[in-house]
Amino acid sequence: GQQVMQIPQYQHVQEGEDFTTYCNSSTTLSNIQWYKQRPGGHPVFLIQLVKSGEVKKQKRLTFQFGEAKKNSSLHITATQTTDVGTYFCAGPLLIQGAQKLVFGQGTRLTINP
Amino acid sequence: DAGVIQSPRHEVTEMGQEVTLRCKPISGHDYLFWYRQTMMRGLELLIYFNNNVPIDDSGMPEDRFSAKMPNASFSTLKIQPSEPRDSAVYFCASSMDSMGNQPQHFGDGTRLSIL
Repeated sequence: GQQVMQIPQYQHVQEGEDFTTYCNSSTTLSNIQWYKQRPGGHPVFLIQLVKSGEVKKQKRLTFQFGEAKKNSSLHITATQTTDVGTYFCAGPLLIQGAQKLVFGQGTRLTINP
Repeated sequence: DAGVIQSPRHEVTEMGQEVTLRCKPISGHDYLFWYRQTMMRGLELLIYFNNNVPIDDSGMPEDRFSAKMPNASFSTLKIQPSEPRDSAVYFCASSMDSMGNQPQHFGDGTRLSIL
């Protein structure tokens, strides 16, 4: 069935290193959303990408939507301890005849200070 | 504006007991979602409502789970009887859209432990 897959599942970096998580869909997406969940917290919406090849930046975070609108990435430059958490991508997929927002399994980022 | 409000934040109870989780969505959001999050299965959509009407409950695990939305500002998720495997974090979220074209706003969640 249609699904959204994220890699890696876990990533541990030294503070100051860069971090990238990748999101792949089995089908073309009308948009992709990214969320961040801090440890013990709840998912918080970060950004939505809509256009093919779109790139958006939020300070040290860079979000890309692939040309085919089937993949996306989140890149964090020079990680800080405040970046710790799980990053989820989510996209609208057709599940059992209904369009729903489907979340990837997330990439859990831990940082060594 | 207040975000999505869930209660209780934590619940510990013995198996067999009834558990009721509560949610107040953001005012003006027509869609309300209930999710369950576990390490093994990630974030699972259980059910969602549109204008207080249940639209898709295909994610509800079994008949022990039920959800209601009596009005636009209140929803409950009930588990009866509860079992240890129901232990998880339950999130409520609301949105202006169900089809993934608008962001979802999550509550703080209810951390449920069934002993």
